[in-house]
Amino acid sequence: DVKVTQSSRYLVKRTGEKVFLECVQDMDHENMFWYRQDPGLGLRLIYFSYDVKMKEKGDIPEGYSVSREKKERFSLILESASTNQTSMYLCASRPPGAGGYTFGSGTRLTVV
Amino acid sequence: QKEVEQNSGPLSVPEGAIASLNCTYSDRGSQSFFWYRQYSGKSPELIMFIYSNGDKEDGRFTAQLNKASQYVSLLIRDSQPSDSATYLCAVNHFGNEKLTFGTGTRLTIIP
Repeated sequence: DVKVTQSSRYLVKRTGEKVFLECVQDMDHENMFWYRQDPGLGLRLIYFSYDVKMKEKGDIPEGYSVSREKKERFSLILESASTNQTSMYLCASRPPGAGGYTFGSGTRLTVV
Repeated sequence: QKEVEQNSGPLSVPEGAIASLNCTYSDRGSQSFFWYRQYSGKSPELIMFIYSNGDKEDGRFTAQLNKASQYVSLLIRDSQPSDSATYLCAVNHFGNEKLTFGTGTRLTIIP
């Protein structure tokens, strides 16, 4: 089974801090994604990557950046955390062409 | 109009009955359709996918696809309390690696 591992299950950060969320997958998938999930708003795509060093903006990239230096690792960076970035963050990977996403267990981030 | 629409619920179904979850999509180029189950506080897990018109069965779950009507559904037979969760519908357009998700239907199975 594909395993997608997110480094932290719960995280509390202060406003203005730079925050790194890490995601690692073990199945050599090209495609990796970062979503945030908020009640009533569903899953919203922040950034995705088709390959190493490739990245594309999703629907809500403002305030975020990403890094993909190795195929298995896709990092989400909150440049200067704000309270409206308090959310559940979900990483996912997908093989090319077919199949659904496999999600990580999620990181619940609280910015105070 | 949202690309993928689901009734948010909550949908309440007695234990042992059939739960029917529905999803409509707007992009006629959509080719792959997925159902995810998400327990409260957990991440979504894939339970079914379907590519062709008709029915696809897997245990107590049946996915139904009607591309002409742009409609996909999930039936859960012999519903159990453990089926209580939010069910997310997702679709994929050929050549696009992203999935587009609905906002989910919250299902409650009443013992």
